[in-house]
Amino acid sequence: DARVTQTPRHKVTEMGQEVTMRCQPILGHNTVFWYRQTMMQGLELLAYFRNRAPLDDSGMPKDRFSAEMPDATLATLKIQPSEPRDSAVYFCASGTTAYEQYFGPGTRLTVT
Amino acid sequence: RKEVEQDPGPFNVPEGATVAFNCTYSNSASQSFFWYRQDCRKEPKLLMSVYSSGNEDGRFTAQLNRASQYISLLIRDSKLSDSATYLCVVISSGYSTLTFGKGTMLLVSP
Repeated sequence: DARVTQTPRHKVTEMGQEVTMRCQPILGHNTVFWYRQTMMQGLELLAYFRNRAPLDDSGMPKDRFSAEMPDATLATLKIQPSEPRDSAVYFCASGTTAYEQYFGPGTRLTVT
Repeated sequence: RKEVEQDPGPFNVPEGATVAFNCTYSNSASQSFFWYRQDCRKEPKLLMSVYSSGNEDGRFTAQLNRASQYISLLIRDSKLSDSATYLCVVISSGYSTLTFGKGTMLLVSP
């Protein structure tokens, strides 16, 4: 049963530290999404890749967030420097189109 | 008006009840619509697509009303296991926007 994996599952860090979250999409999926979920804002799309190329990262604060796909089996989301308002659950999802997305279990980030 | 709106609920219903949720969207160029289900502290999972002609999957029926710009999800014969948050997703043509609603919480009680 193929699944999207994300690491770490939980991360607690201090304000100002760099945070890197990793995602392994399902083999064969060429579309990868990064989302952030909070109680206040719900699920927000941060960035979206197809065939490793970024198609849309308009939802991402550019000054501190960056997303990359160094290869087809790894997507990363980096926050530098982190702030308390970045505390959220970060989900990665993959699919062959935008229409059917398989979500990973998420990374629960707490910035103190 | 927010891009995608859902009543947050919770909707409290007894087992066996029929319950319906709506999701309204503001972008008339929206082209594709979906319902996802999210259990507490878990990831969202695709429940069903929403087609113009409406579609049914067992106890679940999804409808699209383009004129009034909303989609609906009807659950018949509710089960305890249906308790979850139901998220609608609206995608505009060319993927220029992909927006999740904040979800509607359903609680089914014995």
